Amino acid sequence: GAGVSQSPSNKVTEKGKDVELRCDPISGHTALYWYRQSLGQGLEFLIYFQGNSAPDKSGLPSDRFSAERTGGSVSTLTIQRTQQEDSAVYLCASSSGTASTYEQYFGPGTRLTVT
Amino acid sequence: AQTVTQSQPEMSVQEAETVTLSCTYDTSESDYYLFWYKQPPSRQMILVIRQEAYKQQNATENRFSVNFQKAAKSFSLKISDSQLGDAAMYFCAYRTAYYNNDMRFGAGTRLTVKP
Repeated sequence: GAGVSQSPSNKVTEKGKDVELRCDPISGHTALYWYRQSLGQGLEFLIYFQGNSAPDKSGLPSDRFSAERTGGSVSTLTIQRTQQEDSAVYLCASSSGTASTYEQYFGPGTRLTVT
Repeated sequence: AQTVTQSQPEMSVQEAETVTLSCTYDTSESDYYLFWYKQPPSRQMILVIRQEAYKQQNATENRFSVNFQKAAKSFSLKISDSQLGDAAMYFCAYRTAYYNNDMRFGAGTRLTVKP
């Protein structure tokens, strides 16, 4: 079946603009995660959703970052007033449950470049 | 907080030979999961192998195996009979078994396979 998809694949934006990144999880997966991968770094957790429940936002780096999940499926990560340090690859993952036994399936990511 | 350290930014191996990638982690928990992910240039993270901390037996998946040393908090990945398609970034990751949360990733090791 279809895997996790993300759009756009690449996004170039000017400093100060807002951007929206989209994630379509695997159908039926209740858990959805957003990670940020800066150049030469590992993945940094940003936020996670379990179904329609309130998200765990503990990893969001600032109040310029927010995310929502529509109907327990598609998720949008929004970055307001982008800064150059926001340049990174943003990865989304989904799993059929949130317990650690469930594998996370990753999308191909969105490469964000802030000029 | 849990941390994951990969001390080898880059590694190189000759095709058909064996290479070992190192990973250490820091945690006070007794139950957790460890993972190795592969990230090719396509950016999509692919699960290579996982290890449950309560299992003493080292996990194996075809040419991939781990050396899990719980007391030493070490989790190395051995790739046997290396193939050109193994060239990628490899990330070691830790996930707690106690609550629904993120995974902690190391900074990654870039593996080059020479023909």
